[in-house]
Amino acid sequence: EVQLVQSGAEVKKPGESLKISCGGSGHSLGDFWIAWVRQMPGQGLEWMGTIYTGDSDTRYSPSFQGQVIISADKSITTAYLQWSSLKASDTAMYFCARLLGGDLDVWGPGTLVTVSS
Amino acid sequence: EIVLTQSPGTLSLSPGDTATLSCRASQSVSSSYLGWYQQKPGQAPRLLISGASTRATGIPGRFSGSGSGTDFTLTISRLEPEDFAVYYCQRYAGSVTFGGGTRVEIK
Repeated sequence: EVQLVQSGAEVKKPGESLKISCGGSGHSLGDFWIAWVRQMPGQGLEWMGTIYTGDSDTRYSPSFQGQVIISADKSITTAYLQWSSLKASDTAMYFCARLLGGDLDVWGPGTLVTVSS
Repeated sequence: EIVLTQSPGTLSLSPGDTATLSCRASQSVSSSYLGWYQQKPGQAPRLLISGASTRATGIPGRFSGSGSGTDFTLTISRLEPEDFAVYYCQRYAGSVTFGGGTRVEIK
């Protein structure tokens, strides 16, 4: 059974950089599309972008283009989400999920990012 | 950009009731790429329905999806205590779009 494992919770100050990860466990993920989804406190789900782990082809939501960088390491089938300068408004839970046939069929447990001075 | 509007925002029902959740698209979308998700507090979302009407693996039969074009429905028959949660519709067309969610709460 494919599972997604995400890096642990982070507490950062405004202006700091951060890179969080999402990898597969159990059976190999193989080459798949991985989506990143933001959920701000008490709010709904927002798609940030998607990356194909095979060749790092990346699609960004217009809302997040230029705000984050999505990358992947094919050799370890891991996707990353990074910020160069965090803001308090980046405080949220960040989920990764496998995109298969248009469905987000496997989800990671989420990484809570807290940005506070 | 297609917008998915879910209604109602909150549904107050009792166990055993039937929940009917709506997802309306601002333009026609392909049924093949319309999904529904359940999210419980403190948990990641879980895929319930794909292709507008196909239950995902392990999803009980009381969950059913229907619709086409711009109007889609998730029906939960005979609500169980564990069904009280937030439900999202989602559409894929190269990009991913989520509806705003419907909270199903205990009356």
